Amino acid sequence: DAKTTQPPSMDCAEGRAANLPCNHSTISGNEYVYWYRQIHSQGPQYIIHGLKNNETNEMASLIITEDRKSSTLILPHATLRDTAVYYCIVRAHSPAAGNKLTFGGGTRVLVKP
Amino acid sequence: EAQVTQNPRYLITVTGKKLTVTCSQNMNHEYMSWYRQDPGLGLRQIYYSMNVEVTDKGDVPEGYKVSRKEKRNFPLILESPSPNQTSLYFCASSLDGRGNTEAFFGQGTRLTVV
Repeated sequence: DAKTTQPPSMDCAEGRAANLPCNHSTISGNEYVYWYRQIHSQGPQYIIHGLKNNETNEMASLIITEDRKSSTLILPHATLRDTAVYYCIVRAHSPAAGNKLTFGGGTRVLVKP
Repeated sequence: EAQVTQNPRYLITVTGKKLTVTCSQNMNHEYMSWYRQDPGLGLRQIYYSMNVEVTDKGDVPEGYKVSRKEKRNFPLILESPSPNQTSLYFCASSLDGRGNTEAFFGQGTRLTVV
């Protein structure tokens, strides 16, 4: 799986959009970008994933650059409950890749009132 | 509600006393796995199962056993726990093992071995 780089921490104001960057310059053509988050000591929670196109669901939006070397997770209206560690993961969709998730350091997001 | 349920949530035990952490999912998922999370080391996969009666080692299997007799259950067994197995454990499930689905995680089991 390609390596990812995320800022270690960031603050965000409640009610504002939170933009979380992720660099994955070595991503391969068949690798997807996944985002998970982990609220203090709870199980990681899937947020969203994408390959090339921008994706949106009820939780967030994922913007992937045209060269696919970086992406941004957008939480449109951050709430205090969004305080968590956010992980960007790049992985292939193949039986050989399996389903093992490798979590890096992530970005510790603190949403402030 | 779709969920992965682990029990117990907290456990303190003594060295050498066999224990089992249960994991059950209600989504008819084929793929299940166990992770442990330790400060500074992130989540590491212990064992995984592609389907009933199919299990395989992850990155840190030593000291652990698993079984998959039914699709919904994937217990983690520590035959002789040691203090270095003190950790936060998570069970996870996915629709299949082909890597193209989101993973659902349990709430975690915090184990302390003294």
